[in-house]
Amino acid sequence: GAGVSQTPSNKVTEKGKYVELRCDPISGHTALYWYRQSLGQGPEFLIYFQGTGAADDSGLPNDRFFAVRPEGSVSTLKIQRTERGDSAVYLCASSSSGTGGSPLHFGNGTRLTVT
Amino acid sequence: AQKVTQAQTEISVVEKEDVTLDCVYETRDTTYYLFWYKQPPSGELVFLIRRNSFDEQNEISGRYSWNFQKSTSSFNFTITASQVVDSAVYFCALRRGSGSEKLVFGKGTKLTVNP
Repeated sequence: GAGVSQTPSNKVTEKGKYVELRCDPISGHTALYWYRQSLGQGPEFLIYFQGTGAADDSGLPNDRFFAVRPEGSVSTLKIQRTERGDSAVYLCASSSSGTGGSPLHFGNGTRLTVT
Repeated sequence: AQKVTQAQTEISVVEKEDVTLDCVYETRDTTYYLFWYKQPPSGELVFLIRRNSFDEQNEISGRYSWNFQKSTSSFNFTITASQVVDSAVYFCALRRGSGSEKLVFGKGTKLTVNP
């Protein structure tokens, strides 16, 4: 498929565990974004990559959250010592460039449930 | 700071009615971009339209139209002759023209079109 792919689609984990969420962007898209969406809310920005580097990580809530994009394509969002408040849908998006007019194309998200 | 307000939390209409979704934004930038996204029950965010701050022309695409007014900082979305398939949550979003490239979303308006 040509869209943004996120795996897994659902993840259930116990409080305190470590999780990794994967995002495969649209081929050729240099910009990649992670958002978090809680029930009844709009997507909340977490981090933005331009190529391999994190251009803006101001949305990461604390140091338990970390993301990488080592080769400028696939990205992994890592959450340590998960808490019940981390439960949400984690959305990944990519765009052809990081300039203001380029629309973001979103994946279907990973629904994370921390029990 | 960038902010998007969608005052209508939920709207319910009967098929074939026209409906307008309101969006008010705040920004100190002179260059910025406005977006509308649709999130159907399946969960994927679908890009609908982008408008830059220098282009106040209204746009029509089929049954969809957008009214951008800088004087009132609004970017409203109208669906004409609504259909059941239009049922979704609609998000308005704002992005700076330079600097941080994150998209700031409103909380969304849930539209239900009843047959």
